[in-house]
Amino acid sequence: DTGVSQNPRHKITKRGQNVTFRCDPISEHNRLYWYRQTLGQGPEFLTYFQNEAQLEKSRLLSDRFSAERPKGSFSTLEIQRTEQGDSAMYLCASSFGGSGEKLFFGSGTQLSVL
Amino acid sequence: KNEVEQSPQNLTAQEGEFITINCSYSVGISALHWLQQHPGGGIVSLFMLSSGKKKHGRLIATINIQEKHSSLHITASHPRDSAVYICAVHNTDKLIFGTGTRLQVFP
Repeated sequence: DTGVSQNPRHKITKRGQNVTFRCDPISEHNRLYWYRQTLGQGPEFLTYFQNEAQLEKSRLLSDRFSAERPKGSFSTLEIQRTEQGDSAMYLCASSFGGSGEKLFFGSGTQLSVL
Repeated sequence: KNEVEQSPQNLTAQEGEFITINCSYSVGISALHWLQQHPGGGIVSLFMLSSGKKKHGRLIATINIQEKHSSLHITASHPRDSAVYICAVHNTDKLIFGTGTRLQVFP
């Protein structure tokens, strides 16, 4: 399968714990995006990378959130000291080229913070 | 007011009906995407357009840049078309999403 892969599919954690999600984009794609989606809402932009460089971060991304894409391939999104409000679906997407290019989405990681 | 507005929020139809979903936006864009999301979260890109009209099978997407409006049409709807349809616009380098239109097509 050469699509966008996200792991894990589901994560249940207790409040205050740290969690890390991984996204493997389509191999030749240089852009990688993270979005968050809560029930009944459209996805919200969190951050994106052009190769290994993190070019923009949303105001939604508090200091507890950090994302990396160390070699311009896979990316990780870490949430420290999770809160119940962090419960959401975290979606990763990738594209080749600049804005206006077709996006390919992963299946997402569903986070539940108890 | 959201930067991307969709209507209707919910839509039910009988199999075979012609369906239209509308999207209006208030920001400058380089492209507009129509996406389909099934239960479980998977999102599939249906169309990306910056002008005019595109057609793929029973799906047609149009955009009017001057009016900042786009429509997604489904001809001869089928129960397998049941999903959430999301409009998203490319503003600078990020996508801004609408809240989606939940479509249910009954046999």
